[in-house]
Amino acid sequence: QQQVKQSPQSLIVQKGGISIINCAYENTAFDYFPWYQQFPGKGPALLIAIRPDVSEKKEGRFTISFNKSAKQFSLHIMDSQPGDSATYFCAASEGSSNTGKLIFGQGTTLQVKP
Amino acid sequence: DTAVSQTPKYLVTQMGNDKSIKCEQNLGHDTMYWYKQDSKKFLKIMFSYNNKELIINETVPNRFSPKSPDKAHLNLHINSLELGDSAVYFCASSPLWGQGANHEQYFGPGTRLTVT
Repeated sequence: QQQVKQSPQSLIVQKGGISIINCAYENTAFDYFPWYQQFPGKGPALLIAIRPDVSEKKEGRFTISFNKSAKQFSLHIMDSQPGDSATYFCAASEGSSNTGKLIFGQGTTLQVKP
Repeated sequence: DTAVSQTPKYLVTQMGNDKSIKCEQNLGHDTMYWYKQDSKKFLKIMFSYNNKELIINETVPNRFSPKSPDKAHLNLHINSLELGDSAVYFCASSPLWGQGANHEQYFGPGTRLTVT
């Protein structure tokens, strides 16, 4: 059972463009939604995270938009750069479970063309 | 200094062998995890320990056994390796545990296991 669905699977964007990756979840008990960035041969690194009490969070060129009623959240990368080329994962966890268990989306491979 | 480290980085072995992967974190975190990333890059949690106590044990073959000698270390032992065990295994750690905990997880560099 895939509890977090991520799309698209791959994305090609021109330098300076906006990259948008979408995720949808099923479990309404999820209350923590992070995005991870993974470069080839490296471990995933936390990029930005949001909790459902806010609809948007921005850190530099990265913004999470969160729609609680639709059970969807998305990552926007403004002014995309070739150095942003990586695989991006959305995830979700249920804080009340006290385990920190993260359920990951399938990942999106982003290529930013110079 | 490396925050979450794993050894070895690469592991090539034959079917039927037993192998271990070691993980250490110097962040002072309470909770550590093991994840498996398959060939399609899908990440799935396997185990989690909080201060040496097992708190997550997903549906994983019992050939996989985690061991936590102290809260800074979480090792993964795999018995009777199979072709399907080939994957990248990531260790991660998290600073807090409990209600309202910060679930930020910090991942190690991964161990690529190839079973031939």
